[in-house]
Amino acid sequence: DGGITQSPKYLFRKEGQNVTLSCEQNLNHDAMYWYRQDPGQGLRLIYYSQIVNDFQKGDIAEGYSVSREKKESFPLTVTSAQKNPTAFYLCASSRTSGGSDTQYFGPGTRLTVL
Amino acid sequence: GQSLEQPSEVTAVEGAIVQINCTYQTSGFYGLSWYQQHDGGAPTFLSYNALDGLEETGRFSSFLSRSDSYGYLLLQELQMKDSASYFCAVRAGGYQKVTFGTGTKLQVIP
Repeated sequence: DGGITQSPKYLFRKEGQNVTLSCEQNLNHDAMYWYRQDPGQGLRLIYYSQIVNDFQKGDIAEGYSVSREKKESFPLTVTSAQKNPTAFYLCASSRTSGGSDTQYFGPGTRLTVL
Repeated sequence: GQSLEQPSEVTAVEGAIVQINCTYQTSGFYGLSWYQQHDGGAPTFLSYNALDGLEETGRFSSFLSRSDSYGYLLLQELQMKDSASYFCAVRAGGYQKVTFGTGTKLQVIP
């Protein structure tokens, strides 16, 4: 089955620790995205990548870092510089060609920083 | 940057029709998408409009007016399972950059 996987589903960390969230896709999509969602809020774009070894900051990149060494993988690191890291993190992917604009989302990781 | 406005909550009766509006301000607009998200779940794609007009997919339709920077999602024959949050999203300011609205929580009542 093709899709996007994120792990773990729930993650707890102590304040001041960096944490890396995993995102893997086997849809052969070039573009991948990370979003943050706070309770009752919309999705805010953290980083996106159009191609391997390239990525751009989204609207709320401060305190986060990413890498795109493989087409299938786009891990997100939440650093200690992120002031309010507790949130629901969603990874998505899409084709880069034109036409129907579909983003496929993973199940998400709920990060709680204690 | 991009900004989108949509109502925060809508309530409708089972079997009825509901329209969720979205207005946007962007630069370099490519298209408007709609996503559905049930509580605790991930968003799922519903529809995409790049050109003016109506797109129909089963009980769901989506409309776009580029000149008015406006779109809407129309849900017909509402079912209880349609209770969810609905987000509009614009692809703008760079083809792969997508910005989501804050979402409309739809409650379907018997």
